[in-house]
Amino acid sequence: GESVGLHLPTLSVQEGDNSIINCAYSNSASDYFIWYKQESGKGPQFIIDIRSNMDKRQGQRVTVLLNKTVKHLSLQIAATQPGDSAVYFCAENGNNQGGKLIFGQGTELSVKP
Amino acid sequence: GAGVSQSPSNKVTEKGKDVELRCDPISGHTALYWYRQSLGQGLEFLIYFQGNSAPDKSGLPSDRFSAERTGGSVSTLTIQRTQQEDSAVYLCASSLAGRGSTDTQYFGPGTRLTVL
Repeated sequence: GESVGLHLPTLSVQEGDNSIINCAYSNSASDYFIWYKQESGKGPQFIIDIRSNMDKRQGQRVTVLLNKTVKHLSLQIAATQPGDSAVYFCAENGNNQGGKLIFGQGTELSVKP
Repeated sequence: GAGVSQSPSNKVTEKGKDVELRCDPISGHTALYWYRQSLGQGLEFLIYFQGNSAPDKSGLPSDRFSAERTGGSVSTLTIQRTQQEDSAVYLCASSLAGRGSTDTQYFGPGTRLTVL
């Protein structure tokens, strides 16, 4: 069935380094993608989104890249900080799926001081 | 402004009991979603309300699960005859619009349900 998956379940980085979290999606009709950050005991927090008519979008310290050819999504975090430690989820709002999001399994990012 | 709120934050119940989980969406948001998150897993879609349209119930795992949205605002997710496999965090989200839109979904803190 349709799914959104992640290449790496865990990622450990040194404080100050850049982090890259990857995601593969399977629904080629998806036209909207979102990255969420979830800290322990909290609901997912919106980080950044991108529409399928774009291949790159930048926010504050974060960049999302979309490669529709290989159905790949990535989240880049610059100068990773301890506060970035969390589980990161990619999600797609597949076209014709109504409003629901399809989430990947998540990648746990651990930042070492 | 206030975000999405959910209550209770934690609920412990015995197998076979019914539970009700409440969600207060962001004021003015017409779309409301329920998701379930099992331990260490991603979010699983349950049900989606958009304005006065019939809800999308395609994610409900069994007929023990139901949800209502009264007055286009507050929503209640009801689980009847709870089973241990229902234990999870139940998350609610709302967005300005829905149904194929790209409006951001904002999540509440969730209700952690434990069925003994």
